[in-house]
Amino acid sequence: GEDVEQSLFLSVREGDSSVINCTYTDSSSTYLYWYKQEPGAGLQLLTYIFSNMDMKQDQRLTVLLNKKDKHLSLRIADTQTGDSAIYFCAEVSGNTPLVFGKGTRLSVIA
Amino acid sequence: DAGVIQSPRHEVTEMGQEVTLRCKPISGHDYLFWYRQTMMRGLELLIYFNNNVPIDDSGMPEDRFSAKMPNASFSTLKIQPSEPRDSAVYFCASSGGSSAPLHFGNGTRLTVT
Repeated sequence: GEDVEQSLFLSVREGDSSVINCTYTDSSSTYLYWYKQEPGAGLQLLTYIFSNMDMKQDQRLTVLLNKKDKHLSLRIADTQTGDSAIYFCAEVSGNTPLVFGKGTRLSVIA
Repeated sequence: DAGVIQSPRHEVTEMGQEVTLRCKPISGHDYLFWYRQTMMRGLELLIYFNNNVPIDDSGMPEDRFSAKMPNASFSTLKIQPSEPRDSAVYFCASSGGSSAPLHFGNGTRLTVT
């Protein structure tokens, strides 16, 4: 079945850029999503990209999609302590529900 | 819109007891999902509904788990009898279409002792 892989941990210094990577296996993915989960809360949609796009920018967030390599990344510019959270990559194709990765825990060091 | 509303936020119960988790999806959303999150297994899809009808329950761990959606604005996930290994955070999510983004509730943290 479909699979989404992410590294589990990332640590960056405040003010630096963070890059969270994700790989997926389903070549028919139509949308790819990034969610953020803060402690004690549910997953919050951060941004998404259509599979026919290769980049999307939204303020401090930049999503890059390499469809050939099935690689998705989320770059957070000027990372702040409030960005500390777990970030989930998810993909969807057709009528099947979203498939989530296990999440990357981002720690921001002041 | 208040978003997806789950209750209770926390539930502590003893092994063998029945547990009922509740969810109110966002009005107008026709898909509803139940997920379970643990450190070991991450986020697992248990079951999802479309227009109140269960579409895929292959993620439900065993017969002790059951879910219902009697109407468009309410769903329950029941565990009977509960076991310590059921301890997890249970999330409900809803969406307006099969490929639309999911909107999550804040979850119910279940502890079974």
